[in-house]
Amino acid sequence: AQKVTQAQTEISVVEKEDVTLDCVYETRDTTYYLFWYKQPPSGELVFLIRRNSFDEQNEISGRYSWNFQKSTSSFNFTITASQVVDSAVYFCALSGKETSGSRLTFGEGTQLTVNP
Amino acid sequence: KAGVTQTPRYLIKTRGQQVTLSCSPISGHRSVSWYQQTPGQGLQFLFEYFSETQRNKGNFPGRFSGRQFSNSRSEMNVSTLELGDSALYLCASSAGRGYEQYFGPGTRLTVT
Repeated sequence: AQKVTQAQTEISVVEKEDVTLDCVYETRDTTYYLFWYKQPPSGELVFLIRRNSFDEQNEISGRYSWNFQKSTSSFNFTITASQVVDSAVYFCALSGKETSGSRLTFGEGTQLTVNP
Repeated sequence: KAGVTQTPRYLIKTRGQQVTLSCSPISGHRSVSWYQQTPGQGLQFLFEYFSETQRNKGNFPGRFSGRQFSNSRSEMNVSTLELGDSALYLCASSAGRGYEQYFGPGTRLTVT
């Protein structure tokens, strides 16, 4: 069975602060894929990043960066110099090649509020 | 490329009725998945279709069904609606297994 845990239910920061969203996963698959999605108040889930289990290279995209550590089964997401527009619910998700195909297992989500 | 579209965006139905939701994937995507989002249960997988075949199914009762057409458009149907079916229903399309899924804006269903 797949499981994704986002222990932080809500985070509140002041603009320009850095913030890290935690994600811990469980899977028995040897090949799996990890994702982060953003859900603004409009409701649509916006894809941010995809990582496969064989690629532990960290990635940076503008103010966003992701730290994938297989040894601790974590895939954390950091926003540098946060902005009010970053306020949203962020979901970490997992799909396992062998057991779940395209099926995404989502974490509970972290509500990020960035205050001006 | 146009994104994933879903119709209708909002629906209000009465208990016992049935409803059909529609999803048009991104052009070229053959995999379409459906998810239900509620405050209590979060995001839960309903089913996935690929080339008109159901490839994966979540843990939902048989009242929830779906299909996919030859042009990859998909519909999901919920029969004998219950109050607990009130949710945001999200459709996602992807190029295949392991690829990122792109989500539509969702259909917000309210059952009264």
